[in-house]
Amino acid sequence: AQSVAQPEDQVNVAEGNPLTVKCTYSVSGNPYLFWYVQYPNRGLQFLLKYITGDNLVKGSYGFEAEFNKSQTSFHLKKPSALVSDSALYFCAVSVKGTYKYIFGTGTRLKVLA
Amino acid sequence: SAVISQKPSRDICQRGTSLTIQCQVDSQVTMMFWYRQQPGQSLTLIATANQGSEATYESGFVIDKFPISRPNLTFSTLTVSNMSPEDSSIYLCSVTAGAAYEQYFGPGTRLTVT
Repeated sequence: AQSVAQPEDQVNVAEGNPLTVKCTYSVSGNPYLFWYVQYPNRGLQFLLKYITGDNLVKGSYGFEAEFNKSQTSFHLKKPSALVSDSALYFCAVSVKGTYKYIFGTGTRLKVLA
Repeated sequence: SAVISQKPSRDICQRGTSLTIQCQVDSQVTMMFWYRQQPGQSLTLIATANQGSEATYESGFVIDKFPISRPNLTFSTLTVSNMSPEDSSIYLCSVTAGAAYEQYFGPGTRLTVT
């Protein structure tokens, strides 16, 4: 069965420090991987995706993610966290050709001033 | 990216009634999806809305409970029928456009059933 795991319910980081939000996946076939952010009372906003090519992908708001096939991971990173980055982050996986997403359980990021 | 609107943004409904949620996109899109996000939880795909034909439902979701229409390439509706408090959730529509694989989400409809 295909699945996505976000092992941390919450991540706390001090403003200005680097942040990492973890995601691992289990799919058959080539995975398409995505990160979304959800602010309170808002829909999901697309941050970045990995389809093919360079393992390091850059996205919106200074976020980037690294695809690691051997570890089946797609961790979200940012070199310097902002208080405004505090939100709920979702990792999602899709299998080539299906367009359907499987979402992780979400990680709440709290950036402390 | 597409601009997506949903109506209503929120509603409080009585048990046993039905609510229809509308999703409007500002451009023609390839795929439209409906998701449910229960309080404090992740998103679960309800169905894929197919233009001009019956929606494709995921395991655990049935047409009698969640009838979906998609009359054209920019509009879809989801009805939550015979509601119970367990249906209290945020309902989101999403779309893909062209050959892109990323989905873009509407702002959601927050439904409370009393």
